[in-house]
Amino acid sequence: NAGVTQTPKFQVLKTGQSMTLQCAQDMNHNSMYWYRQDPGMGLRLIYYSASEGTTDKGEVPNGYNVSRLNKREFSLRLESAAPSQTSVYFCASRQGNGNTGELFFGEGSRLTVL
Amino acid sequence: AQKITQTQPGMFVQEKEAVTLDCTYDTSDPSYGLFWYKQPSSGEMIFLIYQGSYDQQNATEGRYSLNFQKARKSANLVISASQLGDSAMYFCAMREGLEYGNKLVFGAGTILRVKS
Repeated sequence: NAGVTQTPKFQVLKTGQSMTLQCAQDMNHNSMYWYRQDPGMGLRLIYYSASEGTTDKGEVPNGYNVSRLNKREFSLRLESAAPSQTSVYFCASRQGNGNTGELFFGEGSRLTVL
Repeated sequence: AQKITQTQPGMFVQEKEAVTLDCTYDTSDPSYGLFWYKQPSSGEMIFLIYQGSYDQQNATEGRYSLNFQKARKSANLVISASQLGDSAMYFCAMREGLEYGNKLVFGAGTILRVKS
């Protein structure tokens, strides 16, 4: 089972360059999320999509855009990368509403902005 | 204000002993869920255990148990009989409310090192 797949796993960018992180899940989950992980700060939510066709801002959305392309795919775009966006990015998905049900995470994408 | 607080940046435990990782949370919503995740050095996020706010009993999953004290707003993870493979970062997380697609908020994490 693939679960949640993120690409690329590693990327080095120069300041000002743009890139898109791709995420796909094969579990037929409704909700998808993008988090970033920085040392000492845990995981912080960037954007999420409760269901196909909807997206909402999380705690740290500035500098990012997202697209829920279809039920399976949720991409994260950096239009003009900054060194402060150097981080590990995680995509996650979850089945539905209510309090039960954990997040399923991808393996993470390590991004370095020089 | 922090919604999830993990006050222990790092912990050491002797192999085969039990260890408690602390987590306190802040919410005014009566409906919420609490989660613990493990992140080994390889980087993946592994779900360990879940506790719902209306659950009457503390959650248990194998060697993991959750010491849920609702009045104190704490949800500590207890790992019994520690193993070397338990060395990892541990995150506490909370989901508030019952809205569709509601999100998880994570704490800063606790690094656990198991000594042989």
